[in-house]
Amino acid sequence: GDSVTQMEGPVTLSEEAFLTINCTYTATGYPSLFWYVQYPGEGLQLLLKATKADDKGSNKGFEATYRKETTSFHLEKGSVQVSDSAVYFCALILRSNDYKLSFGAGTTVTVRA
Amino acid sequence: NAGVTQTPKFQVLKTGQSMTLQCAQDMNHEYMSWYRQDPGMGLRLIHYSVGAGITDQGEVPNGYNVSRSTTEDFPLRLLSAAPSQTSVYFCASMTRNYGYTFGSGTRLTVV
Repeated sequence: GDSVTQMEGPVTLSEEAFLTINCTYTATGYPSLFWYVQYPGEGLQLLLKATKADDKGSNKGFEATYRKETTSFHLEKGSVQVSDSAVYFCALILRSNDYKLSFGAGTTVTVRA
Repeated sequence: NAGVTQTPKFQVLKTGQSMTLQCAQDMNHEYMSWYRQDPGMGLRLIHYSVGAGITDQGEVPNGYNVSRSTTEDFPLRLLSAAPSQTSVYFCASMTRNYGYTFGSGTRLTVV
């Protein structure tokens, strides 16, 4: 079935460090890919998305590129801030699967001042 | 425009009790869904609905019922609560661009 595998955490970084969270997927077809962020005590928010191969999603300094050849959608940010401390989820949907959102397990990121 | 509203935010139930988690959205989205979040497991789909009057099962439907009588509301019913249902529950609706809008969650503890 369709699935998402993302880098296990937790990840601890210093402010202004470079962040990468790896995400790979398995899907029968061409999924749309997403990164969601969950700040402490809150629900999930859409961070960025890409709907086709080679698309780059970007938001709040975060970027991810849809790589069909490696079935990957890695999240990157060049200089993290303490406010980026959160849990990050990679996810996919497929039209052929009723647009059900399938999530990775989540990666907890902590940024220290 | 409140988005997706979930009530209650916190709930403690005794084993065997029943309850309904409420979810309402004011964005006229056809597609709504319920997820549960457990440590290390991401979010798992319980039930979903593609429109009023239509519901379907997700990955972990056992012990839960849903109905969708209106576009706005999508309640989740726990029939007979069990400790395994201790979790954080999120309701979500899907936008036209296939992004999901999530509620703030209900933290349920079954003792």
